[in-house]
Amino acid sequence: GENVEQHPSTLSVQEGDSAVIKCTYSDSASNYFPWYKQELGKRPQLIIDIRSNVGEKKDQRIAVTLNKTAKHFSLHITETQPEDSAVYFCAASISSAGGTSYGKLTFGQGTILTVHP
Amino acid sequence: KAGVTQTPRYLIKTRGQQVTLSCSPISGHRSVSWYQQTPGQGLQFLFEYFSETQRNKGNFPGRFSGRQFSNSRSEMNVSTLELGDSALYLCASKGPLETQYFGPGTRLLVL
Repeated sequence: GENVEQHPSTLSVQEGDSAVIKCTYSDSASNYFPWYKQELGKRPQLIIDIRSNVGEKKDQRIAVTLNKTAKHFSLHITETQPEDSAVYFCAASISSAGGTSYGKLTFGQGTILTVHP
Repeated sequence: KAGVTQTPRYLIKTRGQQVTLSCSPISGHRSVSWYQQTPGQGLQFLFEYFSETQRNKGNFPGRFSGRQFSNSRSEMNVSTLELGDSALYLCASKGPLETQYFGPGTRLLVL
């Protein structure tokens, strides 16, 4: 089955710095890669996602890049703010060739991001 | 649209008991997936239901089961509870695209 490795497990940055979290996946059939942010005591919230037909996607201060050949994808947060402090999870899933998207997400172990003011 | 809801939010049970958790997806969503979140194992996929049928299953023992009703609401059941079943149980609702929206979770403590 799919296996997703996420690094680093903890990341500490100063406000205004950039943060990068990296994930690798094992199943070349995976073609959908979301990133979730989970604040303490709250539910995971989708912050950005990318599909395998795209190499990069940006949304304001957040960007995700995907390298299908190397089977890795990364989350980039620029101009970090204290409210970015949370646990970030990458995940991977498969949509069938017929277009059916399945609800099975395989998650990385999570990265605790701390942004110091 | 209303978000994903889960009941109850907190549960305390003792070993050997069974428990049933409920999830109501976003209106119009037909897929409900269940995940177990623990500090040691992270987020692990339990199973997915789509149109009242189990479509995917993770690597959990048969004590973990689920079902989905015609209105897409889903329940999961854990029988013969063990201490290691203490966790946050999250359900996620999905429409025709890949995006999954999580509920607030049910925190289960097994004593």
